[in-house]
Amino acid sequence: NAGVTQTPKFQVLKTGQSMTLQCAQDMNHEYMSWYRQDPGMGLRLIHYSVGAGITDQGEVPNGYNVSRSTTEDFPLRLLSAAPSQTSVYFCASSFRATSSSPLHFGNGTRLTVT
Amino acid sequence: ILNVEQSPQSLHVQEGDSTNFTCSFPSSNFYALHWYRWETAKSPEALFVMTLNGDEKKKGRISATLNTKEGYSYLYIKGSQPEDSATYLCASPAWGTDKLIFGTGTRLQVFP
Repeated sequence: NAGVTQTPKFQVLKTGQSMTLQCAQDMNHEYMSWYRQDPGMGLRLIHYSVGAGITDQGEVPNGYNVSRSTTEDFPLRLLSAAPSQTSVYFCASSFRATSSSPLHFGNGTRLTVT
Repeated sequence: ILNVEQSPQSLHVQEGDSTNFTCSFPSSNFYALHWYRWETAKSPEALFVMTLNGDEKKKGRISATLNTKEGYSYLYIKGSQPEDSATYLCASPAWGTDKLIFGTGTRLQVFP
């Protein structure tokens, strides 16, 4: 079972560059989300989606865009990378919206912006 | 945004000790409470999802309780083993939204 697949695993960007972090799940989950993990800050929600065509902002959405054109895919776009976006990014999905369904996490993408 | 707090921040115990830690959340407009286990260099894995006041869940030596009226959940580990060493996260959805908000976690280290 593939579960939640994130690519790439590592990425180094220069300030001002753009890139897309990919996330795909093969469990037919309705809900998908992106978190960033920073030391001492835990996991902070960037954006989430409750189904294809529907996205919404989380706690720290600035500097990031998302789209959900299919149930399986939920890419995260960095429009103009900044050093403050250096972090580990996790994609997570659940069967339904979060009230009663546990999240399944991808393996993470470690991003460094210089 | 919902404030989910965990204590202590870190914990060191000897193998065989039992331990517990706390997750606090606003008691008004409660929806659900999630617990996750996060080992170093891995991804978080779900332990429990609890929704009802008084809920108790158990998985092996790990159990959790929920008090929605006073806004806390306890996670217990009985007879800690070195393989229990991990960060334990709790999370709760903000009322009326699908935003799952995490606490900063309790880092447990179990020494042989």
